[in-house]
Amino acid sequence: GAGVSQSPSNKVTEKGKDVELRCDPISGHTALYWYRQSLGQGLEFLIYFQGNSAPDKSGLPSDRFSAERTGGSVSTLTIQRTQQEDSAVYLCASSLASGLLSYEQYFGPGTRLTVT
Amino acid sequence: AQTVTQSQPEMSVQEAETVTLSCTYDTSESDYYLFWYKQPPSRQMILVIRQEAYKQQNATENRFSVNFQKAAKSFSLKISDSQLGDAAMYFCAYRSARGGSEKLVFGKGTKLTVNP
Repeated sequence: GAGVSQSPSNKVTEKGKDVELRCDPISGHTALYWYRQSLGQGLEFLIYFQGNSAPDKSGLPSDRFSAERTGGSVSTLTIQRTQQEDSAVYLCASSLASGLLSYEQYFGPGTRLTVT
Repeated sequence: AQTVTQSQPEMSVQEAETVTLSCTYDTSESDYYLFWYKQPPSRQMILVIRQEAYKQQNATENRFSVNFQKAAKSFSLKISDSQLGDAAMYFCAYRSARGGSEKLVFGKGTKLTVNP
């Protein structure tokens, strides 16, 4: 079946512009996660959704970052007034459920964001 | 906060030989999950193997096995009969079993090269 998809695959933007990154999770997966992968910081958690709500948004680095999820499916990560330090690969993952049971997180191919 | 340390930024192995990747972690929790993920150049994170902390038996998946030492907080990955397709970045990850804390905490990764 279809895996997690992300779009765009690559995005180049100018400093100060806003960008939107999209994640389509696997159908039926109620949990959705965003991570950021950069050379300096490695892989960092950004935000976790259970359905449409975000019980854990502790990893969002600043108020320029926001995310939403609609219909318990697609999620959009928005970065306002992009800075060069936002350049990274943004990875999305989804899992069948959450809670005490450890379901595997399935990752998408990521969006490579370059801020010039 | 939990931390994961991978002390080997790069490793290499000859095809058909065995290699062990190291991972240590720090936590005050008694229940948690540990994972090894593989990331080839395509950026797609793939789960290799997982271990529940409450299980004493080491997990095994075909050529991949772990040495889980809970008291030492160590979780190494052994790859037997290495193949060219095993070349990738390998990430060790921790996930709390506590409800509401769904994020994966990753190490910095180990780049594995497989020489023919």
